Amino acid sequence: DIVMTQSPDSLAVSLGERATINCKSSQSVLYSSDNKNYLAWYQQKPGQPPKLLIYWASTRESGVPDRFSGSGSGTDFTLTIGSLQAEDVAVYYCQQYYSSPFTFGPGTKVDIK
Amino acid sequence: EVQLLESGGGLVQPGGSLRLACVASGFNFSSYAMSWVRQAPGKGLEWVSVICGSGDSTFYADSVKGRFTISRDNSKNTLYLQMNSLRAEDTAVYYCAKLNGDSCYSPLDYWGQGSLVTVSS
Repeated sequence: DIVMTQSPDSLAVSLGERATINCKSSQSVLYSSDNKNYLAWYQQKPGQPPKLLIYWASTRESGVPDRFSGSGSGTDFTLTIGSLQAEDVAVYYCQQYYSSPFTFGPGTKVDIK
Repeated sequence: EVQLLESGGGLVQPGGSLRLACVASGFNFSSYAMSWVRQAPGKGLEWVSVICGSGDSTFYADSVKGRFTISRDNSKNTLYLQMNSLRAEDTAVYYCAKLNGDSCYSPLDYWGQGSLVTVSS
């Protein structure tokens, strides 16, 4: 099974500042046949289901603000919130969909400083 | 508008069974893979199972393999999760989620509001 880890566990960022979340997979999620990284990012606000933000490691889902961006390849990935807004307070999860079981990371909680 | 509505959750004793259902609308259900993801109280997300769009391929988390069965009825636009031999550690909110393609190797682009399953005596 692919184990997903995230860092940090939590972070507090001032409004308008950048937030960076890291995700690491125990083995590569880059599929050589299509050169795609099978990695997604989700946002979950309290009391709500998760919402897809980023897939293929760097493709923003329709309607997601452009302050959210994803990068990385192979085993190391990053979610960046370019200018933190109050509505971005949430827990963020990465997930690999390269091989079953399609595991999630443990989550990173983002708060306002 | 895509909508996913789960039902069937509730309180069940250890060793008991429960069947969750998820009625989908707003998209061509048979053309998309579907999944179940759960979240224990105060914990993170745990992927449970997926069924590909054709329905002929399924995958399970090790923690539920042999106890849970995912299925779909494309004529009713409904996804199911049959849960047997339930344990206390199966207590969670169970989310139904749509994948963004018919392949099981796709991200989860729409989620239901979830159905709470509590396993307790």
